[in-house]
Amino acid sequence: SQKIEQNSEALNIQEGKTATLTCNYTNYSPAYLQWYRQDPGRGPVFLLLIRENEKEKRKERLKVTFDTTLKQSLFHITASQPADSATYLCAPSDYNQGGKLIFGQGTELSVKP
Amino acid sequence: DAGVIQSPRHEVTEMGQEVTLRCKPISGHDYLFWYRQTMMRGLELLIYFNNNVPIDDSGMPEDRFSAKMPNASFSTLKIQPSEPRDSAVYFCASSAGQSTNEKLFFGSGTQLSVL
Repeated sequence: SQKIEQNSEALNIQEGKTATLTCNYTNYSPAYLQWYRQDPGRGPVFLLLIRENEKEKRKERLKVTFDTTLKQSLFHITASQPADSATYLCAPSDYNQGGKLIFGQGTELSVKP
Repeated sequence: DAGVIQSPRHEVTEMGQEVTLRCKPISGHDYLFWYRQTMMRGLELLIYFNNNVPIDDSGMPEDRFSAKMPNASFSTLKIQPSEPRDSAVYFCASSAGQSTNEKLFFGSGTQLSVL
């Protein structure tokens, strides 16, 4: 069955460092992958989408990579700030899913000042 | 646009009671999704609609759960009868529909507690 794995343990880092979050998937051939941010008591918010033919995508301090051979996406936040503290969810998808989006469990990031 | 609007924000009910959650998607969005989130299972897709038609309800846990979308601006998720294990946060989300890789916009969720 299809499976999406994200770091189950919370990631604690110091302000200013780079945070790297991992999303691994199995039994998927996603055409694209999305990353979302979720704050406590709120719904997830879209951050970035990367397609299978894109190795890397950037948006301000965010960078996402997509390795279809390793079946993995990495999400980086450079020069992290306490305001980046949240849970980050990945969602791979392919065109056969007809718009359906399944999410990983998410990784909680805590950035300490 | 006000975004995806869900009501109520919180719902506390007793086991056996009927619960109805409501959602108003973003105007013009063709897809509507219902998700459930718990600590143990994360964010689970229950059902989704395209142009008001249910496309995939394989995530609906039991016959006690039902969802409707009578028009493009309103959807309900009903649990009857409710059980304590239904306690979770229920999210509604919508997306603009022409392609399959559109981002989702989520509502603020309904925190459901079944006692």
